[in-house]
Amino acid sequence: EPEVTQTPSHQVTQMGQEVILRCVPISNHLYFYWYRQILGQKVEFLVSFYNNEISEKSEIFDDQFSVERPDGSNFTLKIRSTKLEDSAMYFCASNTGRDEQYFGPGTRLTVT
Amino acid sequence: GNSVTQMEGPVTLSEEAFLTINCTYTATGYPSLFWYVQYPGEGLQLLLKATKADDKGSNKGFEATYRKETTSFHLEKGSVQVSDSAVYFCALKSNFGNEKLTFGTGTRLTIIP
Repeated sequence: EPEVTQTPSHQVTQMGQEVILRCVPISNHLYFYWYRQILGQKVEFLVSFYNNEISEKSEIFDDQFSVERPDGSNFTLKIRSTKLEDSAMYFCASNTGRDEQYFGPGTRLTVT
Repeated sequence: GNSVTQMEGPVTLSEEAFLTINCTYTATGYPSLFWYVQYPGEGLQLLLKATKADDKGSNKGFEATYRKETTSFHLEKGSVQVSDSAVYFCALKSNFGNEKLTFGTGTRLTIIP
């Protein structure tokens, strides 16, 4: 069964460094999403992406964040200059548009 | 804005016990409602969903009924198994065109033999 994959599973970085979290959505999906969950808190929507552009973003998704679909398979989330409060589990998801969203296993980001 | 309030965890039950995890929501209009489950080391998986009032979603012995009058979508299972140990997330999606999900905080369920 096709699945969403994410790499790495755990990323440790120093404050101020750039990180790129990678996702490979399901191949025939057209909509892509990033969510995050700070430990003990809600899963929060960050951004949705369709047709090579952002379709919606939350207040969390400020200028430090960017997304890209550099080729036909990867979907990346970049944080330009990480802060301690960016430490969280980041989930990628995809769907065809009207069906359920399929989630990856998440990347745990630890900023020290 | 939309919000989901979910029963605080963790919840620990003995095998074959009855399970209820409460979920209430705030939303404009008529959202779709979901329960997602996360098993250890895996991603969020859709467990069940309901798209309109009085719909009952069901899967793997779990059920939840969309109650508009109480704005609730409580998850129930009559007899839990050790393999049901996971984190359960209640979520909603507005039906005003955008596709983003709004989640609750998640409830960690542990079933002991």
